Amino acid sequence: QITLKESGPMLVEPTQTLTLTCTFSGFSLKTNGVAAAWIRRPPGKALEWLALIYWDDDKRYSPSLKSRLTITKATSKNQVVLTMTNMDPVDTATYYCAHKGVNGSGSQTYYFDYWGQGILVTVSS
Amino acid sequence: SYELTQPPSVSVSPGQTVSITCSGDKLGYKYVCWYQQKPGQSPVLVIYQDDKRPSGIPERFSGSNSGNTATLTISGTQAMDEADYYCQAWDSSVVFGGGTKLTVL
Repeated sequence: QITLKESGPMLVEPTQTLTLTCTFSGFSLKTNGVAAAWIRRPPGKALEWLALIYWDDDKRYSPSLKSRLTITKATSKNQVVLTMTNMDPVDTATYYCAHKGVNGSGSQTYYFDYWGQGILVTVSS
Repeated sequence: SYELTQPPSVSVSPGQTVSITCSGDKLGYKYVCWYQQKPGQSPVLVIYQDDKRPSGIPERFSGSNSGNTATLTISGTQAMDEADYYCQAWDSSVVFGGGTKLTVL
């Protein structure tokens, strides 16, 4: 069974750097085609994809936030870490970690089938 | 950058059929999936690869994708289906639609 759980600070001050950790079980980021992603939802707004890291360390970022984001993985710890610099109150959101797997024939999939419970991060002084 | 457009809200009476659209340039050439999100909960995948249902998702949820529009259809809508629904596709990166709030009146 695949599970993911986000952890990190629930309150950060403007201009600070946010570091979030996703700790997962039930899959490995050593497996071909597998990836983990970060997605957020600000209060009252839509889901927004932030970043994605593949098993081979290929990384993809939201074009609008690319300059502020870094995604890394610690495969042996089953963790994925997201850092976001220069936090602003508009970055207040629930941040989710999600799994992207492969299908039965080992081919890429294009959806997130498991999500963490999310962590609400508030940016305020 | 690629954009997906959804109606902000739709409403339906219990037992009726409702469709939620998702529009994007040549969307029919991409795989589309749909997520359901209820207040205080994480998103749940209800349709993937345009028209496939994950295990555990009721048969009343169906999907299609052609031309510039993907559609999520809920047949025999129940009160428990009231939620926000998001479409998602892949272009050069992951793209979500703006979400549709489904109200079951």
